[in-house]
Amino acid sequence: DIQMTQSPSSLSASVGDRVTITCRASQYIGTSLSWLQHKPGKAPKLLIYGASILQSGVPGRFSGSGSGTDFTLTISSLQPEDFTTYYCQQSYNPSWTFGQGTKVELE
Amino acid sequence: EVQLVESGGGLVKPGESLRLSCAASGFIFSNCGMSWVRQAPGKGLEWVSSISRDNYIYYADSMKGRLTISRDNAKNSLYLQMDSLRADDTAVYYCARTSGGKPLDYWGQGTLVTVSS
Repeated sequence: DIQMTQSPSSLSASVGDRVTITCRASQYIGTSLSWLQHKPGKAPKLLIYGASILQSGVPGRFSGSGSGTDFTLTISSLQPEDFTTYYCQQSYNPSWTFGQGTKVELE
Repeated sequence: EVQLVESGGGLVKPGESLRLSCAASGFIFSNCGMSWVRQAPGKGLEWVSSISRDNYIYYADSMKGRLTISRDNAKNSLYLQMDSLRADDTAVYYCARTSGGKPLDYWGQGTLVTVSS
């Protein structure tokens, strides 16, 4: 299986901060990388797919980049509703895998 | 509006079986791949199984041999038969859609499976 490693596992930030989360794949996955947001008790939400394509309805402060094995999710200006957990997920091969998650907390 | 509604979760004893269902609406179900993803208490998201629109089936190694995923396009429904359940299968199980090259673009609210004696 392809292992996905996110860093950091958690971070503290303030409203308005620029935040970057990284995700590294254990092997080449092209741009078959998605980013999801998951709030407790809610359905996870797709933010980015194809490494950099913003899902319809997702605010433009979210952006994704990368290809091959190294990827980033950037939130340009954190809003109060963004303090939650984020996951990367690869769909390069049929055995999909998620990163372990990054919790974004209020500083 | 796309809607996915899971059902069938509950409390079962180790070794027992459970069948989860996911009722889909608001889109052409037969055109989409579907997946099950779970989240154990205090843990992250874990992919469990997927079935393509052409009925290609994939399972996570952690549950392979104990799972059967299926779909009924006439009923717009997805199913997950889970056998020989263990305590570490305790989790919220979500169904999710894949459409137009967008993996997991819509999710249900999840159904809780608790395996305990």
